[in-house]
Amino acid sequence: GAVVSQHPSRVICKSGTSVKIECRSLDFQATTMFWYRQFPKKSLMLMATSNEGSKATYEQGVEKDKFLINHASLTLSTLTVTSAHPEDSSFYICSALGTDKNSNYGYTFGSGTRLTVV
Amino acid sequence: AQSVAQPEDQVNVAEGNPLTVKCTYSVSGNPYLFWYVQYPNRGLQFLLKYITGDNLVKGSYGFEAEFNKSQTSFHLKKPSALVSDSALYFCAVRSYAGNMLTFGGGTRLMVKP
Repeated sequence: GAVVSQHPSRVICKSGTSVKIECRSLDFQATTMFWYRQFPKKSLMLMATSNEGSKATYEQGVEKDKFLINHASLTLSTLTVTSAHPEDSSFYICSALGTDKNSNYGYTFGSGTRLTVV
Repeated sequence: AQSVAQPEDQVNVAEGNPLTVKCTYSVSGNPYLFWYVQYPNRGLQFLLKYITGDNLVKGSYGFEAEFNKSQTSFHLKKPSALVSDSALYFCAVRSYAGNMLTFGGGTRLMVKP
């Protein structure tokens, strides 16, 4: 079945530094990647949608200069949290939408990244 | 705008008993409906989806869900719960024309021995 590899699974960084999270679709092409943020015991909040080769579309209230999304290829999308602050600490999850039978034309989620900013 | 409601924050059930996790939705046009399960500090695992066809959808780990268009519901069910089913469950919807999933607030399922 379809697999999305998300790294790192956990990261601790200092305030003011930047952190990059990668999501790779391993056996299918992901034309669209979604990035979510999940607060403790809460649902997933969509941050942005990215299509390969074009700029990401950010949801209202999400700072595009703080959460940089790059979708340079059909198998790789990255989320960079720039100048991280403690309030950015959260669980970040990517989801890839496949358009081929290997992905069952569905959504495949990464395993998530726990970001802690100290 | 599309939306999903999961009216129960938590469902408690004894092992071996049937379980139901409720979901209602609102979307323009025909819905694509999904159920996902999340274990602590993990991403979402796909359980099942309804796109078209038979209203009763069977999925992974013995779960099933019934699409009810008149009630705009897509409740998740399992005939006999296992302790290992304890997790956070999310219902999600997208429209036929769009590709963005909208999630419900999640329901924590607790199965006690």
